[in-house]
Amino acid sequence: DAGVTQSPTHLIKTRGQQVTLRCSPISGHKSVSWYQQVLGQGPQFIFQYYEKEERGRGNFPDRFSARQFPNYSSELNVNALLLGDSALYLCASSFLGSGANVLTFGAGSRLTVL
Amino acid sequence: AQTVTQSQPEMSVQEAETVTLSCTYDTSESDYYLFWYKQPPSRQMILVIRQEAYKQQNATENRFSVNFQKAAKSFSLKISDSQLGDAAMYFCATAGGTSYGKLTFGQGTILTVHP
Repeated sequence: DAGVTQSPTHLIKTRGQQVTLRCSPISGHKSVSWYQQVLGQGPQFIFQYYEKEERGRGNFPDRFSARQFPNYSSELNVNALLLGDSALYLCASSFLGSGANVLTFGAGSRLTVL
Repeated sequence: AQTVTQSQPEMSVQEAETVTLSCTYDTSESDYYLFWYKQPPSRQMILVIRQEAYKQQNATENRFSVNFQKAAKSFSLKISDSQLGDAAMYFCATAGGTSYGKLTFGQGTILTVHP
């Protein structure tokens, strides 16, 4: 079975541009969460979607947005990129949306903002 | 609110020996879960072990075990018979029972395994 897949794996953008990151959860998983991991730090929670509805949002500016599609895949959008947005963006999926469920992570999308 | 603190930025161990990684946490949740994740250079976060806070018995997974001290809010990871493949960044994390997929991670501990 395929795990959590993310695309693209690497990308380079310049300040002010916009970026869209994509995530396909494990088949049957209905919950998708997004995390930002700055180099040398632990991941920080950005969003969680369950059954296509936003169920949680971390302390990130409105430049960050996300959505979940009917097939449970998800996109994370970041507008007006800043240098500080350079990070590894991780997507994780689980069958249910509660904290009891184990998250399975993808390999991430490495974003570099110049 | 939840916080997780890993006080050891780096640890090292000889192959076949035992190492313990420390973690303390704070949470306002009455129902919560604790996790150790491993992140090798390949970047993919891999679950090592999971503990339900309502269970007194410490979780074990093969060579990995935890020492869960609920009153002290401590959750350490013991790796026995360390192998070269255990080398990675290890993250301690917590999630509330109704937190909808929100994990709060610590800063991580880099584990080096010497042959």
